[in-house]
Amino acid sequence: KQEVTQIPAALSVPEGENLVLNCSFTDSAIYNLQWFRQDPGKGLTSLLLIQSSQREQTSGRLNASLDKSSGRSTLYIAASQPGDSATYLCAVNDAGNMLTFGGGTRLMVKP
Amino acid sequence: NAGVTQTPKFQVLKTGQSMTLQCAQDMNHEYMSWYRQDPGMGLRLIHYSVGAGITDQGEVPNGYNVSRSTTEDFPLRLLSAAPSQTSVYFCASRENGAYEQYFGPGTRLTVT
Repeated sequence: KQEVTQIPAALSVPEGENLVLNCSFTDSAIYNLQWFRQDPGKGLTSLLLIQSSQREQTSGRLNASLDKSSGRSTLYIAASQPGDSATYLCAVNDAGNMLTFGGGTRLMVKP
Repeated sequence: NAGVTQTPKFQVLKTGQSMTLQCAQDMNHEYMSWYRQDPGMGLRLIHYSVGAGITDQGEVPNGYNVSRSTTEDFPLRLLSAAPSQTSVYFCASRENGAYEQYFGPGTRLTVT
């Protein structure tokens, strides 16, 4: 059974820092991996989707990488802003019909 | 284009009551699914559907029922609510295949 772990569970940084969120998964036979953002009391907003054949995806200040062989993905946030404060979730699609989610990283960016 | 919509936003039920959580999408997506989100447990798949008339169980299906009579709608029914079903419920949709999933805003359910 696929297991997804996100480290750290919580992170607090000053505004302007570059930061890396980590996601690891136990079964490397995946279709894709998706990073989401969740604001308190809200739904999930898709940030980036990396297909199994890709190594990375970029959107603005966000860059996600995927290393299937080692079962790892990272989300890099450049020049963090207070508006980036949220919970970041990674989810692995490994059977076509189900996403397996990590527990999330709660990010606080202080002005 | 409203995306994925869910109603109600909040609901309080008493143990044993039944209710239906509504989910609709206007993107003509074939795949729809229901997840529940509990503190410390992440999101877990309840049921999913790959098209009208086709449904299947996810990781935690017990106590829930689904049907898919149209492409747009995928309601989730709680047959006899229990306190263990207190959670936040999310509906999601995507095109069939390895594509990006879109989530609704969620329904916060409390069972007393």
